[in-house]
Amino acid sequence: DTGVSQNPRHKITKRGQNVTFRCDPISEHNRLYWYRQTLGQGPEFLTYFQNEAQLEKSRLLSDRFSAERPKGSFSTLEIQRTEQGDSAMYLCASRRTGIVGYTFGSGTRLTVV
Amino acid sequence: DQQVKQNSPSLSVQEGRISILNCDYTNSMFDYFLWYKKYPAEGPTFLISISSIKDKNEDGRFTVFLNKSAKHLSLHIVPSQPGDSAVYFCAASGDSNYQLIWGAGTKLIIKP
Repeated sequence: DTGVSQNPRHKITKRGQNVTFRCDPISEHNRLYWYRQTLGQGPEFLTYFQNEAQLEKSRLLSDRFSAERPKGSFSTLEIQRTEQGDSAMYLCASRRTGIVGYTFGSGTRLTVV
Repeated sequence: DQQVKQNSPSLSVQEGRISILNCDYTNSMFDYFLWYKKYPAEGPTFLISISSIKDKNEDGRFTVFLNKSAKHLSLHIVPSQPGDSAVYFCAASGDSNYQLIWGAGTKLIIKP
């Protein structure tokens, strides 16, 4: 069990640029979640995959955001035309069916300047 | 509309004493509650959970109490240790996908 891995750990980008983050979940976990966390707040749900199927998307996930999980393994979260309001910590978590607690990665901190 | 509230942004407790972290919720459909601990620059770490059919769950130094009528839960840590200093988040779930609704967190500081 190598845990949930997220890359990169930090990303600084100029407003208007596209960014992509990667998450490698624990291998036997079929469920994968993306959350976003801003300073002083708890994480906010963005989207959820069961295997390769994206089953739920938050209304926070505007059409500039897209997530994929090809082959039900790693996942990517892309933000197009970044805005300063996108600056946050993006957290990925995974879990196995029947287990309540998620395992989180260390997150990717995005700063849009 | 905050469905999960942690009204204390911070809490300071003497080492060896009991730490009590509180959480209130508004949605009576929540059926699972979880506590996570978060250190700076790391993702949250799962601590303990409780189903709505129970009123207490214990795991070592950590005990979670659920009062459904008051829509309130609490996490007790006893005895508190310096390594417990972290931000503690309360989270709740009301669906089979276990999408979590989170409180804003309480920063716990354990004083030596």
